[in-house]
Amino acid sequence: EADIYQTPRYLVIGTGKKITLECSQTMGHDKMYWYQQDPGMELHLIHYSYGVNSTEKGDLSSESTVSRIRTEHFPLTLESARPSHTSQYLCASSGRRTAVAEAFFGQGTRLTVV
Amino acid sequence: AQSVTQPDIHITVSEGASLELRCNYSYGATPYLFWYVQSPGQGLQLLLKYFSGDTLVQGIKGFEAEFKRSQSSFNLRKPSVHWSDAAEYFCAVGAFTGGFKTIFGAGTRLFVKA
Repeated sequence: EADIYQTPRYLVIGTGKKITLECSQTMGHDKMYWYQQDPGMELHLIHYSYGVNSTEKGDLSSESTVSRIRTEHFPLTLESARPSHTSQYLCASSGRRTAVAEAFFGQGTRLTVV
Repeated sequence: AQSVTQPDIHITVSEGASLELRCNYSYGATPYLFWYVQSPGQGLQLLLKYFSGDTLVQGIKGFEAEFKRSQSSFNLRKPSVHWSDAAEYFCAVGAFTGGFKTIFGAGTRLFVKA
């Protein structure tokens, strides 16, 4: 059973607000990822991290930012939410000291910006 | 560039019938291949993976997949579908591009009719 948690599960927020989506894992994984998924669509990698103090932008451009101060924690922040940010955000982690490994996913945060 | 193609946006099968979901990948080196399943409103769960060795891979919930290098394919199969298998299925390839990342296909939604 994977131990990766995302909060909140659902969030409805007004335009212009600052929000932080939380993601934590207890598996000691060094790699963590954020994916954005619109309803019925594929997953797009927006951020990833290979360890503490390491963050990179993914394949899909995003106005969000991430930080990795602790191994187990990988929060995503939107400084000023807009309706175009409405989507599902999935956090994942993989690879405890291994280069190749499958990703374990959280249950996602469904964000609606009104 | 690495990519994954799932030709079928959606498939409908009768309960008890066999299932095959198609997946083609593009990757220059040895591929690391995955199938994930996503139930509505949930994160992704790993069904099976192929890293090396036997090209026929067994997974959870009675699923299997066969890696065919000559066809660049990794199709998912199940001999007898249950109503609880209705979900979205994602094929993915693991690639080393500045570190190990998982790249997903657009997904195939499976409908099961009684």
